Amino acid sequence: NAGVTQTPKFQVLKTGQSMTLQCAQDMNHEYMSWYRQDPGMGLRLIHYSVGAGITDQGEVPNGYNVSRSTTEDFPLRLLSAAPSQTSVYFCASRQTGAGANVLTFGAGSRLTVL
Amino acid sequence: GQQLNQSPQSMFIQEGEDVSMNCTSSSIFNTWLWYKQDPGEGPVLLIALYKAGELTSNGRLTAQFGITRKDSFLNISASIPSDVGIYFCAGQIFNNAGNMLTFGGGTRLMVKP
Repeated sequence: NAGVTQTPKFQVLKTGQSMTLQCAQDMNHEYMSWYRQDPGMGLRLIHYSVGAGITDQGEVPNGYNVSRSTTEDFPLRLLSAAPSQTSVYFCASRQTGAGANVLTFGAGSRLTVL
Repeated sequence: GQQLNQSPQSMFIQEGEDVSMNCTSSSIFNTWLWYKQDPGEGPVLLIALYKAGELTSNGRLTAQFGITRKDSFLNISASIPSDVGIYFCAGQIFNNAGNMLTFGGGTRLMVKP
């Protein structure tokens, strides 16, 4: 199993450009999520999904869109990138249900917005 | 939202020394998790704690779920160079919105051979 796969690993954007960070998992996990990691602030939840067709906002959703058309994929879209979105982004997934709370993370996508 | 205070923010220790880090919160959690992030990688689960007062070991790692459900600590004994990385605590609460996970700010561990 590949686990959680994120692409690209690195990306540089200019302010105002748009892009999509891809996330795919092959573990048949219902729950998928996106976090951003900034120094000293830990991991903050951007958006999450509990199943295909269902998405919801996390702690820091502004400036990001998500969709969940399949169980496997959960792309994160930046419609108009801003320097404040420079960060490392992690996709994570897990099973749902009581006790099924162990998140599996991807390797991360480092985004720089100039 | 809920916040976790993780300390220390960073540690620079000699190989062989023991390490201790902790997380505190103003809110209670149902589960405490400890993750480690190696450079250039995503966080990987080290230990999961499910009951108040629970003490769990995983090799040289020991973690405890505080009695008040508002804190947890992680100890690493006899540190080695591969312990280098960022350690995150995470508290989980079960509510109507599902299982919500909150992360601490991380402890960056550096080990001098």
